[in-house]
Amino acid sequence: SYVLTQPPSVSVAPGQTARITCGGNNIGGKSVHWYQQKPGRAPVLVVYDDSDRPSGIPERFSGSNSGNTATLTISRVEAGDEADYYCQVWDSSSDHYVFGTGTKVTVL
Amino acid sequence: EVQLVESGGGLVQPGGSLRLSCAASGFTFSGSWMSWVRQAPGKGLEWVANIKQDGSEKYYVDSVKGRFTISRDNAKNSLYLQMNSLRAEDTAVYYCARDIRSGPYYMDVWGKGTTVTVSS
Repeated sequence: SYVLTQPPSVSVAPGQTARITCGGNNIGGKSVHWYQQKPGRAPVLVVYDDSDRPSGIPERFSGSNSGNTATLTISRVEAGDEADYYCQVWDSSSDHYVFGTGTKVTVL
Repeated sequence: EVQLVESGGGLVQPGGSLRLSCAASGFTFSGSWMSWVRQAPGKGLEWVANIKQDGSEKYYVDSVKGRFTISRDNAKNSLYLQMNSLRAEDTAVYYCARDIRSGPYYMDVWGKGTTVTVSS
């Protein structure tokens, strides 16, 4: 089955840029989506189809995808961005959704 | 407002059964694929199952095949997950979510979740 690997944690100071990676075999050939989950809350879609943002999501959230790595970038990080972030793809070979292992973003 | 509200969670003994429900509102439920996703305590997200608009196609993660059944009632705008032969490792918060399958496949709306605890 397809595996997505994320770093367990990323720390960033307020106002700086956080980059969260999502590694997978030739992930650049797939569409990648990103979810934010705050403690005790349901996940929220923040980026879809590699780099598009749903309405209501700040422009500070952006995405890219190439080769074996997709990246979620959070610019001008705020305290409210502290959360777990998950990448997700569709594995067509198994007809399954696959989530990454998750990354906890800590704002220092 | 697009909304999904899960119910039916609770404490159940190993080997027991539980039926989760998800009430949808604010969108054309009969026009959407739907999924169940779970999250064990302190763990990441795991997709469990999904179902096509008319119920004619269903897919499951391997760990629940033969034990869980996803279904829907479009007349009631409701999604269900029948869970049988429950195990301790099924303990999790279960979310229902709306699938988007217009090109890329992802989930754009999530409910708040319902908690299932499997323990003796």
